[in-house]
Amino acid sequence: QKEVEQNSGPLSVPEGAIASLNCTYSDRGSQSFFWYRQYSGKSPELIMSIYSNGDKEDGRFTAQLNKASQYVSLLIRDSQPSDSATYLCAWGGGGADGLTFGKGTHLIIQP
Amino acid sequence: DVKVTQSSRYLVKRTGEKVFLECVQDMDHENMFWYRQDPGLGLRLIYFSYDVKMKEKGDIPEGYSVSREKKERFSLILESASTNQTSMYLCASWDRGYEQYFGPGTRLTVT
Repeated sequence: QKEVEQNSGPLSVPEGAIASLNCTYSDRGSQSFFWYRQYSGKSPELIMSIYSNGDKEDGRFTAQLNKASQYVSLLIRDSQPSDSATYLCAWGGGGADGLTFGKGTHLIIQP
Repeated sequence: DVKVTQSSRYLVKRTGEKVFLECVQDMDHENMFWYRQDPGLGLRLIYFSYDVKMKEKGDIPEGYSVSREKKERFSLILESASTNQTSMYLCASWDRGYEQYFGPGTRLTVT
């Protein structure tokens, strides 16, 4: 069974610090990996995608993928209170049933 | 810019009513999905469709049905609403191999 494991949190980080979110997945054949942000009462929105091993940076966000160890992480630099949300990781295995989502990590940025 | 729209943001229905939730995407995606999301349970796949008139059960199809008569439209039907179907319902569209795009969600309350 396809699985994604995330620490549900809450993860509390002071404003201005680096927030580190982690995710492990079960399928070695996974090809694509994503991080979504979800504010309370809203739908998930994509913030990062990564397809190959290594780091991918976009503004304050860096996604890291290690396929050998089957984990993907998200770093948020200079954390802001507006980053407080639930972060979902997801991976795509190529099947028609779409992405497999983790349950999310609740991140709180403390002013 | 991909757009996924859902027919209602908030809906209140009575037990036993038939409920229709509609989703429309404008990116010509073949794959569309219906999820429900409840606190602590994450996203749970109800049904998905990979082509017009084609549908597949997800993880929790009981009490639901779907219809896809046109490529851009995917409808979720609650044949006889029950209180345990009170939830946030999310539709998503997928360009296979890449990210899924979510609609704004429908908060359904069944009383």
